Amino acid sequence: NAGVTQTPKFQVLKTGQSMTLQCAQDMNHNSMYWYRQDPGMGLRLIYYSASEGTTDKGEVPNGYNVSRLNKREFSLRLESAAPSQTSVYFCASSEGRRFYNEQFFGPGTRLTVL
Amino acid sequence: AQSVSQHNHHVILSEAASLELGCNYSYGGTVNLFWYVQYPGQHLQLLLKYFSGDPLVKGIKGFEAEFIKSKFSFNLRKPSVQWSDTAEYFCAAGQDTGTASKLTFGTGTRLQVTL
Repeated sequence: NAGVTQTPKFQVLKTGQSMTLQCAQDMNHNSMYWYRQDPGMGLRLIYYSASEGTTDKGEVPNGYNVSRLNKREFSLRLESAAPSQTSVYFCASSEGRRFYNEQFFGPGTRLTVL
Repeated sequence: AQSVSQHNHHVILSEAASLELGCNYSYGGTVNLFWYVQYPGQHLQLLLKYFSGDPLVKGIKGFEAEFIKSKFSFNLRKPSVQWSDTAEYFCAAGQDTGTASKLTFGTGTRLQVTL
């Protein structure tokens, strides 16, 4: 039982390049989330997926797209990377939609955009 | 919009000292509150959570938190910290949107425990 896994762990991009961050969970969770973590700003929600087949914007969605490929996988795409997207990205999942459900986090992807 | 405030950005304590980290949230409705910890180089892990019942919640590793509704606070406490508690601590509030569980995080408190 690996929990939430993310690939890659580290990535360096040039401005304008694109990439997809991958996330998978093996806990049969319904909901999945993408956050970015920046110094002094905590974690901010980029996009989330309440259930398979649905996605919604979070607090900072601009410059990102997501795909809920199936129940297990939720990817985050940067179409044209910008230096402002340099951050640590965390994927999380939770059992269901209820607000008292705990979210389980992946190990993160450290992205640098030059 | 809901917000979560953590007023202590960086706390330095000696081993065996007592710890209290402040957390305030702004939301008048039913709210679920969490404390997560992020050890250096690791992902976030749940320390404890509150959603109803006894306002004094006990979590892992000797941590506890008290929900005070009148003060919109959920402060984290530990009677005696250890060097291994060096980490960043995040308070978060969960809000039921009807379609998903969404968490709003505070900006975090970096705790440094010295020997």
